[in-house]
Amino acid sequence: GENVEQHPSTLSVQEGDSAVIKCTYSDSASNYFPWYKQELGKRPQLIIDIRSNVGEKKDQRIAVTLNKTAKHFSLHITETQPEDSAVYFCAADYYQKVTFGTGTKLQVIP
Amino acid sequence: NAGVMQNPRHLVRRRGQEARLRCSPMKGHSHVYWYRQLPEEGLKFMVYLQKENIIDESGMPKERFSAEFPKEGPSILRIQQVVRGDSAAYFCASSPRLYEQYFGPGTRLTVT
Repeated sequence: GENVEQHPSTLSVQEGDSAVIKCTYSDSASNYFPWYKQELGKRPQLIIDIRSNVGEKKDQRIAVTLNKTAKHFSLHITETQPEDSAVYFCAADYYQKVTFGTGTKLQVIP
Repeated sequence: NAGVMQNPRHLVRRRGQEARLRCSPMKGHSHVYWYRQLPEEGLKFMVYLQKENIIDESGMPKERFSAEFPKEGPSILRIQQVVRGDSAAYFCASSPRLYEQYFGPGTRLTVT
């Protein structure tokens, strides 16, 4: 089955700096890669996603890149703000069975 | 358009009792997924259902766990004879088509 690895597990950045979270996946058949943000005690919320026929997607301060050959994808958050502090999960979708990474706890220091 | 609804939000059961978790998908969504999340951990896929059909239950333990999504009414995740290790947050998600899953607020199950 699919295996998704996510790094780093924790990340602290100063407000205004950029944050990058990286994930790798094992199954080349996976073709959809969503990213979720989960605040403490809350539900995961979809923040951005990318399909395998696209290399990069951007939505305001958030961007995701995908390298199908290397089987890795990354989340980039620019101009970080304290409200970006949360746990971020990457995921790979293989025939509607979504495998999540282990999460990155992002702390933005004011 | 109301979001994905789950109830109860918190559920306390003694060991050996049954837990029944409900999930109402967003209007127009025919795909439902259940996930389990242990404290400080990621989400683990349990089961994927469409109306009246279990499409993929490969993530669900073979014993004590079952799920259904009837023609009418919410999807139900049922855990029989609960044990302490079943304590977790259970999230359901729904989608109108392939991809784009939207999560409910979760049910936090505590087994005492």
